[in-house]
Amino acid sequence: NAGVTQTPKFRVLKTGQSMTLLCAQDMNHEYMYWYRQDPGMGLRLIHYSVGEGTTAKGEVPDGYNVSRLKKQNFLLGLESAAPSQTSVYFCASRRSGGLINEQFFGPGTRLTVL
Amino acid sequence: KQEVTQIPAALSVPEGENLVLNCSFTDSAIYNLQWFRQDPGKGLTSLLLIQSSQREQTSGRLNASLDKSSGRSTLYIAASQPGDSATYLCAVGASSSNTGKLIFGQGTTLQVKP
Repeated sequence: NAGVTQTPKFRVLKTGQSMTLLCAQDMNHEYMYWYRQDPGMGLRLIHYSVGEGTTAKGEVPDGYNVSRLKKQNFLLGLESAAPSQTSVYFCASRRSGGLINEQFFGPGTRLTVL
Repeated sequence: KQEVTQIPAALSVPEGENLVLNCSFTDSAIYNLQWFRQDPGKGLTSLLLIQSSQREQTSGRLNASLDKSSGRSTLYIAASQPGDSATYLCAVGASSSNTGKLIFGQGTTLQVKP
């Protein structure tokens, strides 16, 4: 199993450009999450999904959109990138239900917006 | 609003020393608490997950404890090795809903010197 994979690994954008980050998991997990990590601030939840076709806002959703058309994929979109969105983006997944289920993380996408 | 704090932000110890990393949270109503390791430029690897009803979990040289009433968790690393050098993050599973959302601390960066 590949676990959680993210595409691309690195990207540089100019202000105003758009892009989509792809997260894929092969563990048949119901729940998926997008986080951003900034220096000194830990990870913050952007959006999450509890199943195919569902999405919900996290702690810092502004400027981002998401879609979960297939159970194994969770897409994060930036419609008009801003320098404040320069960050490392992590995707994670988890089985539904229970208190003991761990979140599994992808390797991250490092995004720079100029 | 749940807040998670990790002190210190950085720690340097000689090889072989036993050490404790601290994590505190403001709301004791949690589902679980998870400790992660993050190597530079990499994703997060889950180390230990403690359910809200448990007081500790052990894996090899690692032992994590949880005291919900005082809002504290500790990660104990025995006989530290240079390979333990990494950033350690704790994350609390919020109990407001069983969506698996995690709230992260800022992390403690550990350096173990040979």
